[in-house]
Amino acid sequence: AQKVTQAQTEISVVEKEDVTLDCVYETRDTTYYLFWYKQPPSGELVFLIRRNSFDEQNEISGRYSWNFQKSTSSFNFTITASQVVDSAVYFCALTGSGNTGKLIFGQGTTLQVKP
Amino acid sequence: NAGVTQTPKFQVLKTGQSMTLQCAQDMNHNSMYWYRQDPGMGLRLIYYSASEGTTDKGEVPNGYNVSRLNKREFSLRLESAAPSQTSVYFCASSEIGSSNQPQHFGDGTRLSIL
Repeated sequence: AQKVTQAQTEISVVEKEDVTLDCVYETRDTTYYLFWYKQPPSGELVFLIRRNSFDEQNEISGRYSWNFQKSTSSFNFTITASQVVDSAVYFCALTGSGNTGKLIFGQGTTLQVKP
Repeated sequence: NAGVTQTPKFQVLKTGQSMTLQCAQDMNHNSMYWYRQDPGMGLRLIYYSASEGTTDKGEVPNGYNVSRLNKREFSLRLESAAPSQTSVYFCASSEIGSSNQPQHFGDGTRLSIL
């Protein structure tokens, strides 16, 4: 069975601190895709990144970076120099079996960045 | 630039009432999905439609039905609402039902059942 675990329920940091959101996944598929979504207080879900199981290169986009490690089944997300606007719920998600695009979400991590 | 549009945004129902949540996308996507979001549980897939004319159950389909009316529209129906169905419902779409395609989400429908 596929599963995504985000063990950190809530994280609180002060602005400009770096913060890492953990994501651990389980799957028996050899080909799969991992995603991160952001849900700001307004409620919508915003796609941040997609990573496939064959590409273990880390990715950096501005203040955001992602560390994918197949050996530990983890896909962690780091925000550098956090800002108040980063306050949101962040979801890690997984697809794999079949070709339906069905997403399996983690429980989400609520990040609060205080000024 | 509407993307995925859900109606209504808020609704309060009494136990036993029926209701249909509407979803439409204007991105010419083939696949559409309905999720529910409950506190501490992330989003869970209720039903999906890989392409026009097909629908399949997701993780939590009990108590729901869906209709893929055409390529643009995918509705979710609660025939006899129960308090356990109080949740935030999200509709999503993607270009094709492929595992590598990111899904685009609507703004959600907040549903309370008394």
